[in-house]
Amino acid sequence: RKEVEQDPGPFNVPEGATVAFNCTYSNSASQSFFWYRQDCRKEPKLLMSVYSSGNEDGRFTAQLNRASQYISLLIRDSKLSDSATYLCVVNDPDSWGKFQFGAGTQVVVTP
Amino acid sequence: EAQVTQNPRYLITVTGKKLTVTCSQNMNHEYMSWYRQDPGLGLRQIYYSMNVEVTDKGDVPEGYKVSRKEKRNFPLILESPSPNQTSLYFCASRKTSGRIGEQYFGPGTRLTVT
Repeated sequence: RKEVEQDPGPFNVPEGATVAFNCTYSNSASQSFFWYRQDCRKEPKLLMSVYSSGNEDGRFTAQLNRASQYISLLIRDSKLSDSATYLCVVNDPDSWGKFQFGAGTQVVVTP
Repeated sequence: EAQVTQNPRYLITVTGKKLTVTCSQNMNHEYMSWYRQDPGLGLRQIYYSMNVEVTDKGDVPEGYKVSRKEKRNFPLILESPSPNQTSLYFCASRKTSGRIGEQYFGPGTRLTVT
């Protein structure tokens, strides 16, 4: 079983709509979670860190559900520029240096 | 400009011919790491370094070597490349103080081993 799993999609979303997707992780002791965005095999870039209480950054909202071991990302009022692959990243609780990445969820926003 | 640079960006080589991919960052970050990305598998960590002269294995270290002699540089060495090392490679760096934060990635190196 993969340590971090994501629905690969694609999620086809009309412009202006809301899309949400999850990422599950296997190690219940994990403490640090992130969403990164990757465009077309370019370098990943941090979208947002995910905090225990949930956090929002403009149109993006991230939530953490420790009981069910998943994090979620919700994008409101989708823009064409939101089309990308969203990577879930979890820090290994036994090492600040180790990270596990999900394979990514592809989002395609259509006009 | 704060950045992570990698060279070369594209490389086609043959099995067994030693190669080095360089990575350099200008942000004075203690932490650096190498990842490979393959379709359907996501990024997998090869090696990481928490500081100069400190390196540790990631999840897929076999067939790779690294060194960290200077804070800014973290080269990835393939002593005897094989076709299964054909992949997209990313180097990353981040601060180690405070909360675990953003990793800054280089632009990637596309390696093909024939």
